Amino acid sequence: GQSLEQPSEVTAVEGAIVQINCTYQTSGFYGLSWYQQHDGGAPTFLSYNALDGLEETGRFSSFLSRSDSYGYLLLQELQMKDSASYFCAPDDSWGKLQFGAGTQVVVTP
Amino acid sequence: SQTIHQWPATLVQPVGSPLSLECTVEGTSNPNLYWYRQAAGRGLQLLFYSVGIGQISSEVPQNLSASRPQDRQFILSSKKLLLSDSGFYLCAWSVGTGGEGETQYFGPGTRLLVL
Repeated sequence: GQSLEQPSEVTAVEGAIVQINCTYQTSGFYGLSWYQQHDGGAPTFLSYNALDGLEETGRFSSFLSRSDSYGYLLLQELQMKDSASYFCAPDDSWGKLQFGAGTQVVVTP
Repeated sequence: SQTIHQWPATLVQPVGSPLSLECTVEGTSNPNLYWYRQAAGRGLQLLFYSVGIGQISSEVPQNLSASRPQDRQFILSSKKLLLSDSGFYLCAWSVGTGGEGETQYFGPGTRLLVL
């Protein structure tokens, strides 16, 4: 079967570091994408991991372990504008993305 | 550059009425197109995807249908709306052959409220 797990909510203060974990189970797997969605807006692409290891894009980094069916998104130097929902989305053999319920990140002053 | 348009932005419809949501993409050819629905506070549910004109795959059986009359046009329809059809409808596109790493780009979405 298919499943996707990530925490429902994470709260942190400005300047802190947040890690959002994602475990998945899919029938096929090519890689893991991360999307950000601000309240009322559309999702926007953040990063993609096809291979094991860490990908860094500015303040955001994403990690993948294919053998563990696990990945995480690391948000560093948190800013108020980072308050949003974050979705991990594994893509299966066609390239379809499976979105979970997402993690609401709340950044406080 | 590529852009994706959706309209209308918001829609309030009575139960049992028909629905037509339109999505168009500019600046790219032969995109893969997707329709998603997002309930309040929830994740995205893939409804339909299309790899070409007239080629539609349905992910979830329901009272919705999709059509792709032109390369860069994707339409979501219903003959009779249900209360459960309320939600945020998102259209997305990607370019590729269905392999790895295809980033999906989302339109601004349509908020549908069925009363």
